[in-house]
Amino acid sequence: GAGVSQTPSNKVTEKGKYVELRCDPISGHTALYWYRQSLGQGPEFLIYFQGTGAADDSGLPNDRFFAVRPEGSVSTLKIQRTERGDSAVYLCASSRRGSDTQYFGPGTRLTVL
Amino acid sequence: RKEVEQDPGPFNVPEGATVAFNCTYSNSASQSFFWYRQDCRKEPKLLMSVYSSGNEDGRFTAQLNRASQYISLLIRDSKLSDSATYLCVVTTNTGNQFYFGTGTSLTVIP
Repeated sequence: GAGVSQTPSNKVTEKGKYVELRCDPISGHTALYWYRQSLGQGPEFLIYFQGTGAADDSGLPNDRFFAVRPEGSVSTLKIQRTERGDSAVYLCASSRRGSDTQYFGPGTRLTVL
Repeated sequence: RKEVEQDPGPFNVPEGATVAFNCTYSNSASQSFFWYRQDCRKEPKLLMSVYSSGNEDGRFTAQLNRASQYISLLIRDSKLSDSATYLCVVTTNTGNQFYFGTGTSLTVIP
């Protein structure tokens, strides 16, 4: 079946702009995670959804970052007033209820000029 | 202190060699443990879960030592296709947050 998909695959923006990154989880997966991965580092947890609600958003670095999952499926990560330090690969993962196995999407490579 | 610490390597080994990676974690209440594999510019993929009793999958063996708070991955008879970055992953005691190590880079040389 279809895996986790993320769009766009690449996004180049200018400092100060607003961006939205989209994640389509595997159908039926109730849990959805966002991570950020910088070069040479492992993925860094940002936020976790169980259904429509953000069960844990403690990894969001500041209030410029926000994520939604209004219908419990697709999620959008929103970054306001982007900064050069936001440049990274943003990964989304999903898992079935009761399972701790995560399936990752291919990521969105964000570059802030 | 980081939640998960790994030696970043790189490890360069000849084909057929046995190689071992270790990873330490700081939270004694951590619940679940995994090894993920990540190829260059690709997403991480689950390699194996790690259980206290140890588990083996073909050439790969993973072990967990809760007393010393470390997990290990052993790869026997290395193949060229094993070249990748291996990420150690630990979850919180609630199971909600997944903490990744920085990854250990492995290159298997012909």
